[in-house]
Amino acid sequence: DAGVIQSPRHEVTEMGQEVTLRCKPISGHDYLFWYRQTMMRGLELLIYFNNNVPIDDSGMPEDRFSAKMPNASFSTLKIQPSEPRDSAVYFCASRVSNTGELFFGEGSRLTVL
Amino acid sequence: KNQVEQSPQSLIILEGKNCTLQCNYTVSPFSNLRWYKQDTGRGPVSLTIMTFSENTKSNGRYTATLDADTKQSSLHITASQLSDSASYICVVSETTYSGGYQKVTFGTGTKLQVIP
Repeated sequence: DAGVIQSPRHEVTEMGQEVTLRCKPISGHDYLFWYRQTMMRGLELLIYFNNNVPIDDSGMPEDRFSAKMPNASFSTLKIQPSEPRDSAVYFCASRVSNTGELFFGEGSRLTVL
Repeated sequence: KNQVEQSPQSLIILEGKNCTLQCNYTVSPFSNLRWYKQDTGRGPVSLTIMTFSENTKSNGRYTATLDADTKQSSLHITASQLSDSASYICVVSETTYSGGYQKVTFGTGTKLQVIP
């Protein structure tokens, strides 16, 4: 298996623009997580899905953030409009069970100017 | 509030030397503790998992210990190599379930640099 695949790896955009980050989880994993990582706060859970259904989005910072999982093999995290404080590395992770190991993608580094 | 604190924040050691990273947590009720290694520009990768009944677990040159009474864990790296340069993140899981998800708390990591 290729692991969790994220795109783009790097994104530079201007304030106010829409940003869409993409994730393909490992086949057979029924949990998908979106995290944000910054130097100051480390890894923060934004939202997670179970069997494509959003379960907890309490970590989503604002209404500017939204996430979807239209099928078992694809998820998106959208920021609109983007702001400089959204600059961070966004990780997608998946796992096969409720207590299993998290498998992370390589991350999407977002810079909002 | 559940917390995971790691020390030191950063560490520089010479190649071939040993080092120990610390993790203190207040997460309760405790389920398990994992150490992840995160190379620069990459996603975290699990090194070890410790459950309540386990005191020590090794993975090659990495040895993790757990003291569930004092809520402390350590990760010991033996005979360090340049490839050990990375951030090491301690992640603690609760036994309670929120919507079927076992809640986890991440430490902010220890950044290790191994120099020749």
